[in-house]
Amino acid sequence: EDQVTQSPEALRLQEGESSSLNCSYTVSGLRGLFWYRQDPGKGPEFLFTLYSAGEEKEKERLKATLTKKESFLHITAPKPEDSATYLCAVHYTGNQFYFGTGTSLTVIP
Amino acid sequence: SAVISQKPSRDICQRGTSLTIQCQVDSQVTMMFWYRQQPGQSLTLIATANQGSEATYESGFVIDKFPISRPNLTFSTLTVSNMSPEDSSIYLCSVEGGTIHTFGSGTRLTVV
Repeated sequence: EDQVTQSPEALRLQEGESSSLNCSYTVSGLRGLFWYRQDPGKGPEFLFTLYSAGEEKEKERLKATLTKKESFLHITAPKPEDSATYLCAVHYTGNQFYFGTGTSLTVIP
Repeated sequence: SAVISQKPSRDICQRGTSLTIQCQVDSQVTMMFWYRQQPGQSLTLIATANQGSEATYESGFVIDKFPISRPNLTFSTLTVSNMSPEDSSIYLCSVEGGTIHTFGSGTRLTVV
């Protein structure tokens, strides 16, 4: 059974069209949920860590939220430079760290 | 957060040969992690490397295929041995700094 599931797999938005990416997880003993941005040919770039349900973090046009079963990455008025793959990862007891398969975001000018 | 220098950034290798990937961190870290990212897939943890002890490998990965060295608190290497085309992937090292996992820029390996 998948530990971490991201949806949608791919998302195309017009510039300025807000949307949300989803990361659902089934693990217990969550120590943290991470969001990363990955550009082609590069390693993941850290965005946010969330630790408990109800927590929210914001950075520029991005806002991450967390519930007991899922996290959302909200993108407000995206720009073409926001185009990337967004990965979530869950860190839970035993130092296990599992990544989702990512959402490929394309923002069209 | 830590800054990681990983090299080579890419390589094309013949099957049956080996490639060693280096990861240098600008600060001392206890744990270093090696991941593989196969085309179109997410990251999979290969092993965790602590300085002064044997690396801990995840299910499906073995030391003979992916030997790891961790000679000090700022450096690690991963060797991909006896390569086959199925080993073509991006290999990434990562370190844990507080609660943030920082990644190197990755090594794109193509085996022909």
